[in-house]
Amino acid sequence: DAGVIQSPRHEVTEMGQEVTLRCKPISGHNSLFWYRQTMMRGLELLIYFNNNVPIDDSGMPEDRFSAKMPNASFSTLKIQPSEPRDSAVYFCASSLPFYGYTFGSGTRLTVV
Amino acid sequence: QKEVEQDPGPLSVPEGAIVSLNCTYSNSAFQYFMWYRQYSRKGPELLMYTYSSGNKEDGRFTAQVDKSSKYISLFIRDSQPSDSATYLCAMSPNYGGATNKLIFGTGTLLAVQP
Repeated sequence: DAGVIQSPRHEVTEMGQEVTLRCKPISGHNSLFWYRQTMMRGLELLIYFNNNVPIDDSGMPEDRFSAKMPNASFSTLKIQPSEPRDSAVYFCASSLPFYGYTFGSGTRLTVV
Repeated sequence: QKEVEQDPGPLSVPEGAIVSLNCTYSNSAFQYFMWYRQYSRKGPELLMYTYSSGNKEDGRFTAQVDKSSKYISLFIRDSQPSDSATYLCAMSPNYGGATNKLIFGTGTLLAVQP
């Protein structure tokens, strides 16, 4: 298995632009998580899905952030419009019940 | 107060030393406890997974949970330079089903000097 696949690995964009991060979870995993990691705040859960249904989006910072999971093998996290304070590493993770998460390699986002 | 507190370090030790990493938490409902290791510019990877109180050993790694004190530890014996990474604790009140989310500590940066 190729693991959790995220794209792009790096993204540099200008303030105000739309950014779309993509994730392919491990086949058969029924939970998917989006996290954001910064030096100051560590790993913060943004949203998670069970069986493609959003369960808890209380960590989404504001309306500029949205996430979708149209099927079991794909999810997107969109930021529109982006701001410099959104600069961080964004991780996607997937899991089965009662197992730990498997993380992707992350997308390093820089908003200038 | 954060739900999970972890000393950010950095912690620097000589090769061969015993390393102790710790987290405290405030939510008494936490039942599942994990340790993740994160190398620079990589995603976290699961290292140890324990349920409720007690010890669990895996090679050079031992995880301990003391629910009465709301305190968990990870011990690394005979530490190696390849153990240099950030170690994150994570915990959850229940696991599986609809409420399947982990709360992470901020991580402790460990450097093992050769």
